[in-house]
Amino acid sequence: QKEVEQDPGPLSVPEGAIVSLNCTYSNSAFQYFMWYRQYSRKGPELLMYTYSSGNKEDGRFTAQVDKSSKYISLFIRDSQPSDSATYLCAMSKGGGNKLVFGAGTILRVKS
Amino acid sequence: GAGVSQSPSNKVTEKGKDVELRCDPISGHTALYWYRQRLGQGLEFLIYFQGNSAPDKSGLPSDRFSAERTGESVSTLTIQRTQQEDSAVYLCASSSWGQGSYEQYFGPGTRLTVT
Repeated sequence: QKEVEQDPGPLSVPEGAIVSLNCTYSNSAFQYFMWYRQYSRKGPELLMYTYSSGNKEDGRFTAQVDKSSKYISLFIRDSQPSDSATYLCAMSKGGGNKLVFGAGTILRVKS
Repeated sequence: GAGVSQSPSNKVTEKGKDVELRCDPISGHTALYWYRQRLGQGLEFLIYFQGNSAPDKSGLPSDRFSAERTGESVSTLTIQRTQQEDSAVYLCASSSWGQGSYEQYFGPGTRLTVT
């Protein structure tokens, strides 16, 4: 079993929809949780990070962490075609540790 | 300012040859990471450098893989006697302790194809 599980999709939604992306994990030592966006043939771009449990909002993006369930989510409101990309969840134990990534979910927003 | 840069952007090599990949981190970033991304998969940690500390090599898949970094500057990842399963995108990231290690900034990657 992988440490971080993420549905690869693809997830196809109409423009303006609310998108929900999720990851589950098995290692309770993870403290930092991140979401990266990766466009085709580009490096990952950090979107959101959250320390421990809780919610964080940044514009159209909201990240949620539920450590009791070992479950993290990224919500995208008013999705746009430019949001079409692969979304990678990542987490670490902190203190300069390596990031452990999910496989990534391919999102397609259709206009 | 300038982001993380990597070279070459693409590399095609024959099985059995050695390759060297280069990463230039963001100026002032003390931490540098190498990851590998196979087609359709997430990133796989390879090695981590932090200042003058001994590198964390726990992710290197075999002794054919090695990496060096001089101070807080350029890093090179070397793969000896390449195999077809080494074909992947190799990504470098850097971060600053002042910002917290979670803020890893990635370069565009080197796409390695072993024929």
